[in-house]
Amino acid sequence: IAGITQAPTSQILAAGRRMTLRCTQDMRHNAMYWYRQDLGLGLRLIHYSNTAGTTGKGEVPDGYSVSRANTDDFPLTLASAVPSQTSVYFCASSEQGAEGANVLTFGAGSRLTVL
Amino acid sequence: GQNIDQPTEMTATEGAIVQINCTYQTSGFNGLFWYQQHAGEAPTFLSYNVLDGLEEKGRFSSFLSRSKGYSYLLLKELQMKDSASYLCAVTDSNYQLIWGAGTKLIIKP
Repeated sequence: IAGITQAPTSQILAAGRRMTLRCTQDMRHNAMYWYRQDLGLGLRLIHYSNTAGTTGKGEVPDGYSVSRANTDDFPLTLASAVPSQTSVYFCASSEQGAEGANVLTFGAGSRLTVL
Repeated sequence: GQNIDQPTEMTATEGAIVQINCTYQTSGFNGLFWYQQHAGEAPTFLSYNVLDGLEEKGRFSSFLSRSKGYSYLLLKELQMKDSASYLCAVTDSNYQLIWGAGTKLIIKP
């Protein structure tokens, strides 16, 4: 089934630990995104990539890093997790980045709890 | 600053009609999206408006007034499966998506 796969589905993590959330898409979309979703707030963009080999910072990039070595994969790394990074993380993709009506396809989400 | 406003929660009856409003103040405008998100699941695309007027897609319609910074999502013949959160998002002048916090719609029998 075409779409986006995220892993892990959920994770409990001790503060200070390093964590990588994985995201893979099989739709050959150019653009990929990482969002966090917190209760009472809209989706907030962490990092994005308009095409393989390029990345950019979103609204809340501090404490997170990404890489885009190829079209399909877009991992998100928390170098040293803190409790404020407890959230649900969604990976998304779209056919094109930047301009245009970018309809996003989302992964199922990764629920991360930092203690 | 940029802002998207939606009601936090709405309740409606199965079979009825409900209108979910969204107002926005953004630096420029390049389109407005509505997404549906069931509890514990990913958002899924519902509609896109870039010109003023009504876009109809089955039981769902979306309206846009750019001069008023206003949109609504109209759901007809409500079904229990329509219980979900509905997210409004606007693309600004830099083609960045600004998201509202979402409206939780509760459908009662």
